[in-house]
Amino acid sequence: NAGVTQTPKFRILKIGQSMTLQCTQDMNHNYMYWYRQDPGMGLKLIYYSVGAGITDKGEVPNGYNVSRSTTEDFPLRLELAAPSQTSVYFCASSLDRVNGYTFGSGTRLTVV
Amino acid sequence: AQSVTQLGSHVSVSEGALVLLRCNYSSSVPPYLFWYVQYPNQGLQLLLKYTTGATLVKGINGFEAEFKKSETSFHLTKPSAHMSDAAEYFCALTGNQFYFGTGTSLTVIP
Repeated sequence: NAGVTQTPKFRILKIGQSMTLQCTQDMNHNYMYWYRQDPGMGLKLIYYSVGAGITDKGEVPNGYNVSRSTTEDFPLRLELAAPSQTSVYFCASSLDRVNGYTFGSGTRLTVV
Repeated sequence: AQSVTQLGSHVSVSEGALVLLRCNYSSSVPPYLFWYVQYPNQGLQLLLKYTTGATLVKGINGFEAEFKKSETSFHLTKPSAHMSDAAEYFCALTGNQFYFGTGTSLTVIP
């Protein structure tokens, strides 16, 4: 049972480059989320999805885009990377709002 | 408005001592409350949750938390700290979205 799988685990980007962070879950969860975690700042919600074809902005969506074409996949796209996007990114999924999240192991991104 | 506040960004305890990590919440509707643990370079793992019913909830690794509506608190405790408990702990609340606290780093001193 894989749970939530994130790739890559580490990445270094140059300013202005683009990349996609992949997230896949095999639990048939409707809800999926992308968070970023910065030291001392907790987790900030970037985007979330309540089901295939439905996405919505979270607290810090600027500079990011998402899509949800299938229940399993929820990729996060960074366009024109900036140093402010250096962070650890976590994908999570949940069956509903009651049962809490299952988190991926994270992607550590550095923009230089 | 809904929010979660964790009191104390860093807590140090001696091995074998009581662990107490504080969490207060604000919610206009009955909340669902969670504690997560994050070990270094890993994702977050669910420790325990309160939805309805018994206000004292038990989780993994000997942790427990008590929901106190009158105090709007959901503090996490463990009677005897172990070195392996050293980690970052996050309190969270479900409302319209999932709200996380800013985390408490627990250090266990041998």
